[in-house]
Amino acid sequence: GENVEQHPSTLSVQEGDSAVIKCTYSDSASNYFPWYKQELGKRPQLIIDIRSNVGEKKDQRIAVTLNKTAKHFSLHITETQPEDSAVYFCASKGNNFNKFYFGSGTKLNVKP
Amino acid sequence: GAVVSQHPSWVICKSGTSVKIECRSLDFQATTMFWYRQFPKQSLMLMATSNEGSKATYEQGVEKDKFLINHASLTLSTLTVTSAHPEDSSFYICSVRKGGSTDTQYFGPGTRLTVL
Repeated sequence: GENVEQHPSTLSVQEGDSAVIKCTYSDSASNYFPWYKQELGKRPQLIIDIRSNVGEKKDQRIAVTLNKTAKHFSLHITETQPEDSAVYFCASKGNNFNKFYFGSGTKLNVKP
Repeated sequence: GAVVSQHPSWVICKSGTSVKIECRSLDFQATTMFWYRQFPKQSLMLMATSNEGSKATYEQGVEKDKFLINHASLTLSTLTVTSAHPEDSSFYICSVRKGGSTDTQYFGPGTRLTVL
């Protein structure tokens, strides 16, 4: 089955700096890669996603890049703000059964 | 997006009792719902895929007789934790998939289960 690895497990940045979280996946058939933000005790919220036919997608301060050949994708947050502090999960979806495989999560701390 | 609700938001029960958690898709009909559990500071672990009108598909290592899933309608799936034990204490989250060309899953607010 699919294996998704996520790094780093924790990330601390100064407000205004950029943050980058990276994920790798093992199944070359995976074709959809969402990123979720989860605040403590709350539901995961979709923040951005990318399909395998696209290399990059941007939404204001958030961007995701995908390298299909290397089987890795990354989340980029620019001009970080304290409210960006949360746990971020990457996920991948294969062709079959619509199941998501989640990374282990990255706790992002943005220091004011 | 999609509006997904879960009930209850938290529950405390005694060991040996059964607990039912409801997941509702409020603004569209969901043929597929997913159930996850999440331990503190850990990732989401898929337990099962709930298909309307048919039996749920369980992930390897998840006991189907312990975690009963019923997806009786296009807007409701239930997860029943039978004969709960303290090790079943966890955060249980459902998600719904809109289907069609959309792969996105939208999550419910989760249910915090504590088994004493």
